[in-house]
Amino acid sequence: DIQMTQSPSSLSASVGDRVTITCRAGQDIRTYLNWYQQKPGKAPKVLIYGASNLQNGVPSRFTGSGSGTDFTLTISSLQPEDFATYYCLQTASAVAYSFGQGTKLEIK
Amino acid sequence: QITLKESGPTLVRPTETLTLTCTFSGFSLSGRGVAVGWIRQPPGKALEWLAHVYGHDNKFYTPSLRSRLTIMKDTSKNQVVLTMTGVDPVDTATYYCGHLDSTKWYYYDFWGPGILVTVSS
Repeated sequence: DIQMTQSPSSLSASVGDRVTITCRAGQDIRTYLNWYQQKPGKAPKVLIYGASNLQNGVPSRFTGSGSGTDFTLTISSLQPEDFATYYCLQTASAVAYSFGQGTKLEIK
Repeated sequence: QITLKESGPTLVRPTETLTLTCTFSGFSLSGRGVAVGWIRQPPGKALEWLAHVYGHDNKFYTPSLRSRLTIMKDTSKNQVVLTMTGVDPVDTATYYCGHLDSTKWYYYDFWGPGILVTVSS
């Protein structure tokens, strides 16, 4: 299995802040890294695929970067609707995919 | 428009077999470039990838549950079925199915709403 280590596990921030969430892979996954946003009681929603590609309809304040083992999701200016839990998902391994443990973004 | 929806029992007894069905529309699960997978989430915990099946019928399972899982597709019914044998209370979770775009980047772009399955006697 490819282990995905996501940090921080929780984060408090204010509307308008810039926040960064990181995901580290246990081995080189090139750019096969995706970011999801999940709100309580809802299915996850893809924000970024292929490490840096913005999914259609997702606001441009979300950006993804990285390759190899280290990846980041940045929200440039937090909006009230961005408070949620975020997950990374690696899809480099043809045998098994794996999620990070999640980052809960809360209002300060 | 792609949609998916999970169905199955919401309460299962320990040691029984759980069978979940994902019924989808808006695409065909045949050929290359597409797959349907299952992901679960215990209450208050992280997402866990379980398995997926490609249009050409290649199947992949998470190693830790491989011996208990079977995934099958029925192209004529637009359904994917996941069975899990010998369930335990730790298998209590919301189970999601998702459409995997595998044309280039491999990511789940559409998800069903999920079904909460409780394992309890």
